[in-house]
Amino acid sequence: QKEVEQNSGPLSVPEGAIASLNCTYSDRGSQSFFWYRQYSGKSPELIMSIYSNGDKEDGRFTAQLNKASQYVSLLIRDSQPSDSATYLCAVNVGLYNTDKLIFGTGTRLQVFP
Amino acid sequence: GAVVSQHPSRVICKSGTSVKIECRSLDFQATTMFWYRQFPKQSLMLMATSNEGSKATYEQGVEKDKFLINHASLTLSTLTVTSAHPEDSSFYICSGRRGANTEAFFGQGTRLTVV
Repeated sequence: QKEVEQNSGPLSVPEGAIASLNCTYSDRGSQSFFWYRQYSGKSPELIMSIYSNGDKEDGRFTAQLNKASQYVSLLIRDSQPSDSATYLCAVNVGLYNTDKLIFGTGTRLQVFP
Repeated sequence: GAVVSQHPSRVICKSGTSVKIECRSLDFQATTMFWYRQFPKQSLMLMATSNEGSKATYEQGVEKDKFLINHASLTLSTLTVTSAHPEDSSFYICSGRRGANTEAFFGQGTRLTVV
């Protein structure tokens, strides 16, 4: 079982719709969860971090965490063509101070006008 | 966010030579630096984790004698690809973070081509 799993997509949504991206992880002890966006040929940029169960909202983005189900998601409201990119879920794995940041394979999002 | 600067952005080298990539945290102290490699249309594969002042911890399958990582200060880490071969051609990306379980911020990446 991979440590962090995502559906590779592509996920196609029309402009203005809600895009829903999902991620599962295997390490029950993980405490920190992140969503990054990566445009083709560029390095990842941080969108959201979430540490506690529940929802966390930042503008058009909402991250959701359910540690019992080992599941984290990202919702993008009012999707725009400029949101078209690969979205990477990242999870801290391992013990405190020896932990490492592991990425899923990413979900490619396509927002069409 | 925080800024991580990575240089060079692109490098072409001959097979058998060594290449050094620098990663600097410009406005924060990075107690941990991560080095990743990304092949086309694939995800980021962690190569090693380095904590300032300590030896790097390499992932399984990554040759530590080939990929030399130094993290001598809280703002600078380097990756040296020694005796590079065409199969080492890839996108190498560093990221730094302030402390355990905190956000990691990425450099711009280095596209290495070995000819």
